Amino acid sequence: KAGVTQTPRYLIKTRGQQVTLSCSPISGHRSVSWYQQTPGQGLQFLFEYFSETQRNKGNFPGRFSGRQFSNSRSEMNVSTLELGDSALYLCASTPNGRAGYTFGSGTRLTVV
Amino acid sequence: AQSVTQLDSHVSVSEGTPVLLRCNYSSSYSPSLFWYVQHPNKGLQLLLKYTSAATLVKGINGFEAEFKKSETSFHLTKPSAHMSDAAEYFCVVSDLGGYQKVTFGTGTKLQVIP
Repeated sequence: KAGVTQTPRYLIKTRGQQVTLSCSPISGHRSVSWYQQTPGQGLQFLFEYFSETQRNKGNFPGRFSGRQFSNSRSEMNVSTLELGDSALYLCASTPNGRAGYTFGSGTRLTVV
Repeated sequence: AQSVTQLDSHVSVSEGTPVLLRCNYSSSYSPSLFWYVQHPNKGLQLLLKYTSAATLVKGINGFEAEFKKSETSFHLTKPSAHMSDAAEYFCVVSDLGGYQKVTFGTGTKLQVIP
């Protein structure tokens, strides 16, 4: 069975641009979460979607947004990119929280 | 509120010797606890999980962890380290069946010396 797929794997953007990252969860998983990982801040929770609704949100500015489609695929968008947004962005899906999360390989975003 | 503390940022062991990665948690409810492993430039892989069943949990690759409520600990162990175990390990806590946002520890980098 296919795992969590994140596209693209690598991305280079310029300050001020916007970016959209995509995540396809495991089939049947309705919950999708997004995380930002940096050497300085570690793993930080961005938001979680379940059945197209944002259920939880971390402490990130409004420039970070997301959505989930009816097929459970999710996108996250970062507008007005800053250098500090350079990070590995991880997506994870689960059928329910107690089962644990399956992570994708991530999208490495570099802002120059 | 929930929190998780990984007591060591780096652990170094010799190949073939036991591994102990320490994790303490705080949770207002009955928690679900997880250990994940991350190899360089890869996503996170679930090693094992505790969800209020047996307190000794066995995971993949010979790892296991024991849930100790009285000590609020969930330490990860392995009897004999292998070179391929070198990676970063994250302890994770989640309240209320996991539907609340999960909280990650800061990670422990495991070095295995040949």
